Amino acid sequence: DADVTQTPRNRITKTGKRIMLECSQTKGHDRMYWYRQDPGLGLRLIYYSFDVKDINKGEISDGYSVSRQAQAKFSLSLESAIPNQTALYFCATSGGGANSPLHFGNGTRLTVT
Amino acid sequence: AQSVTQLGSHVSVSEGALVLLRCNYSSSVPPYLFWYVQYPNQGLQLLLKYTSAATLVKGINGFEAEFKKSETSFHLTKPSAHMSDAAEYFCAVSETGTASKLTFGTGTRLQVTL
Repeated sequence: DADVTQTPRNRITKTGKRIMLECSQTKGHDRMYWYRQDPGLGLRLIYYSFDVKDINKGEISDGYSVSRQAQAKFSLSLESAIPNQTALYFCATSGGGANSPLHFGNGTRLTVT
Repeated sequence: AQSVTQLGSHVSVSEGALVLLRCNYSSSVPPYLFWYVQYPNQGLQLLLKYTSAATLVKGINGFEAEFKKSETSFHLTKPSAHMSDAAEYFCAVSETGTASKLTFGTGTRLQVTL
């Protein structure tokens, strides 16, 4: 089983709909992240959380919200989806030490029509 | 502010040839540098990281990278490409070493031909 699991793997939704992407992990890491990947732009950080009570905005948080339901679960919501939120979304975790690498899920491909 | 530039969005090499993927960084303090690889339909995984212990860093799958402060570079190399190396490669920089302050490059897609 994957250490970082994202659901769904693919999702097509319409403009204006609310959508939630879910992430769960079995690595026991406190830190969790949501990234967005667009062709030619690399990965950009949306939100991150260092523990259940600590949630922080990343580089591109507008139009998104998150919820850390437990140490192992971190969900990303699009309150009212728009076409330019069409992208590949990744959840990642890391340990608490400096230089701790990121451990990624396999991604959710979201299409907003 | 930190930033990363990856020269060449696509690189094609023959199987058995040298792989060279270029990464230049900008950082106001001694940086932490990373290379990640992304295989099709998968998330990124760490290839190697530089944390000031040694300028030549060896990673998984035969890859290595050399930190050159004078050139602000951290190029990724592999002496002999294999078909299984075909993937997208991302360089990333962090001034603090923490993942929350990681800036990714735009990626280089490596194609390996017979």
